[in-house]
Amino acid sequence: EVQLLESGGGLVQPGGCLRLSCVASGFSFWSSTMSWVRHAPGKGLERVSGITTNSDSTYYADSVKGRFTISRDNSNNTLSLQMSSLRAEDTAVYYCVKGGLGDPFEYWGQGALVTVSS
Amino acid sequence: EIVLTQSPGTLCLSPGERATLSCRASQSVGSGYLGWYQQKPGQAPRLLIYGASSRATGIPGRFSGSGSGTDFTLTISRLEPEDSAVYYCQQYGSPPLTFGGGTKVEIK
Repeated sequence: EVQLLESGGGLVQPGGCLRLSCVASGFSFWSSTMSWVRHAPGKGLERVSGITTNSDSTYYADSVKGRFTISRDNSNNTLSLQMSSLRAEDTAVYYCVKGGLGDPFEYWGQGALVTVSS
Repeated sequence: EIVLTQSPGTLCLSPGERATLSCRASQSVGSGYLGWYQQKPGQAPRLLIYGASSRATGIPGRFSGSGSGTDFTLTISRLEPEDSAVYYCQQYGSPPLTFGGGTKVEIK
């Protein structure tokens, strides 16, 4: 059974930091492009970051560039998203997703809620 | 950036009826890399269709996708009550990967 288990969400003040983690199982994580997609309240889906299989290429949406850092550990089947300088508009459910350029978003985690508020 | 425009915004139909959802791209979608996703309240999106017309694993046969270039369609042949959800199209062929704004399907 495929599982993507996110952790690390929560309430953080504007300007603060948070790190999301995602542990994958049930598929070949090491050979999968991975992404983070967020869903803000009342808005549509937005891919905020992506990373290739061996971390040689990363993607960031303009809205998070310079503030978020994506990484992966293939030995531990783990995907991470380090978020800093958080803003109210970063409030969303963040999903860990198997998929990326040329690959459909086949598997999704259950989502981690990030709330940025004072 | 490829902008995806979905229509209609909301569709209200009865069980057993046919639903037709449209997704129009501002530029041609490379290699037919167009997907459709279903999202129910409180749940993660689920992949329904990839490559414009291939059903994902476990997806019922009443869901079908068609189209190419800039015009794509998701059809639900006979609506079931559990099909009430928001449906998103997505292109994953040209960076940045983008989603449409969604179509909400309500079952009367």
